[in-house]
Amino acid sequence: KNEVEQSPQNLTAQEGEFITINCSYSVGISALHWLQQHPGGGIVSLFMLSSGKKKHGRLIATINIQEKHSSLHITASHPRDSAVYICAALMEYGNKLVFGAGTILRVKS
Amino acid sequence: GAGVSQSPSNKVTEKGKDVELRCDPISGHTALYWYRQRLGQGLEFLIYFQGNSAPDKSGLPSDRFSAERTGESVSTLTIQRTQQEDSAVYLCASSFSPVGGYTFGSGTRLTVV
Repeated sequence: KNEVEQSPQNLTAQEGEFITINCSYSVGISALHWLQQHPGGGIVSLFMLSSGKKKHGRLIATINIQEKHSSLHITASHPRDSAVYICAALMEYGNKLVFGAGTILRVKS
Repeated sequence: GAGVSQSPSNKVTEKGKDVELRCDPISGHTALYWYRQRLGQGLEFLIYFQGNSAPDKSGLPSDRFSAERTGESVSTLTIQRTQQEDSAVYLCASSFSPVGGYTFGSGTRLTVV
């Protein structure tokens, strides 16, 4: 079992839909990152969380430390949100980032 | 510079040759990471630098891989006697601290033929 699990692996949505991507981890972490990678593009850091909730535009990230779970939400989704979304956990010891396998999101117009 | 710079952006090399990949982190970022992304796969951790020392080299796949960092700035990842399975995008990221936000470079696409 991977230390960081993401779901779903693939997600297709209609423009305007509310989207949720989930991330669960099994080890102690210092922080959790949500990353975005557009096709053929670089990786962009969206959020870094150690507790609670963060919001940036239409993106919301939450983390529940007790349940070892984080979610990334996209409100009013748009085709330009189509990308791979990756959660990455910063291990509590060793400062190593462990990545989930990613969620491939496609938003259709 | 304003971001993390990696060079070259693309490298095609013959099997068995050595390659050197370079990462210029954001000035002042003490933490530097190398990752690899093979086609169709997720990101793999390779090595982490804090300053010039590498507390965690656990991700280096074999002794053909080595990395160094000098002056708390530039880092080079060297792959000796390249194999076809080394073909991947090699990404570098830096942060002002291990628990800070990360900035990723655009990667070096290595193709071993």
